[in-house]
Amino acid sequence: AQRVTQPEKLLSVFKGAPVELKCNYSYSGSPELFWYVQYSRQRLQLLLRHISRESIKGFTADLNKGETSFHLKKPFAQEEDSAMYYCALSGLGGTSYGKLTFGQGTILTVHP
Amino acid sequence: DAGVTQSPTHLIKTRGQQVTLRCSPKSGHDTVSWYQQALGQGPQFIFQYYEEEERQRGNFPDRFSGHQFPNYSSELNVNALLLGDSALYLCASSTRGGVQPQHFGDGTRLSIL
Repeated sequence: AQRVTQPEKLLSVFKGAPVELKCNYSYSGSPELFWYVQYSRQRLQLLLRHISRESIKGFTADLNKGETSFHLKKPFAQEEDSAMYYCALSGLGGTSYGKLTFGQGTILTVHP
Repeated sequence: DAGVTQSPTHLIKTRGQQVTLRCSPKSGHDTVSWYQQALGQGPQFIFQYYEEEERQRGNFPDRFSGHQFPNYSSELNVNALLLGDSALYLCASSTRGGVQPQHFGDGTRLSIL
C-alpha cells in the first residue's frame, strides 16, 4: 500500500523567513514524488517533481529514501507563496504506475 | 490551450440518482485520471483511462464507472448516489499512460441531497 503523510495542516511564517513543508511517504517499490500547489480560486497545479530536479518559484525538494521524506523548502518566503500544498506519490512501475496518492495538504500562510 | 476542461461546474442530485461528469484532456494528452476530493482532504484516485480502457483503479465501488472516447475525452458515471458521494471530482490528463505529470481541471462540485 502507498501512503503520503503531511503532518502539518497549517503553517504560518513571515515574509522573508525560511519555510519547510514536511512530507513523509510509505511505498514498497521505487516512488516518484511530486508537490502540487493550489492558489486561491485556481486549479491544482504541479509545482515540482523529484525526477526532473527542477526548482520552481524558488522551491526545492530532495527525496530522502532513508527517511522516506520529500520535504519542500524555500529559503525566503513571499506573500504570494500563500496557498494549499499537496505532496503526492506515484509508483515508477507496476500496479501503481500513473496513480497519484495525495497527502491531506498543508495550508501555508505567509504574513507581511 | 484551455488545458483540462470539466463540465458541469456544479451539480445537485438526490440520493439514488445517477450522474455523469465529463472531461476533455489538455491538447496532446491521451490519458485521463479521475479523483474524488472530499472537503478538507487530499484528492483520492478513482481510476485512469488510456487507449479507451480502464488501466488502474483505486478503492472505489463498482457504482463508479467510466469511459474514454477515441478523442481521449472521458466520462465518470456514478450510480445509486449516496450522501457520501458529495465531493469535488477532479479530472487530470497526462501523456503516455501516465508517464508525464498530470494536469488538473477545475473540477465538478457534486452535492447530494
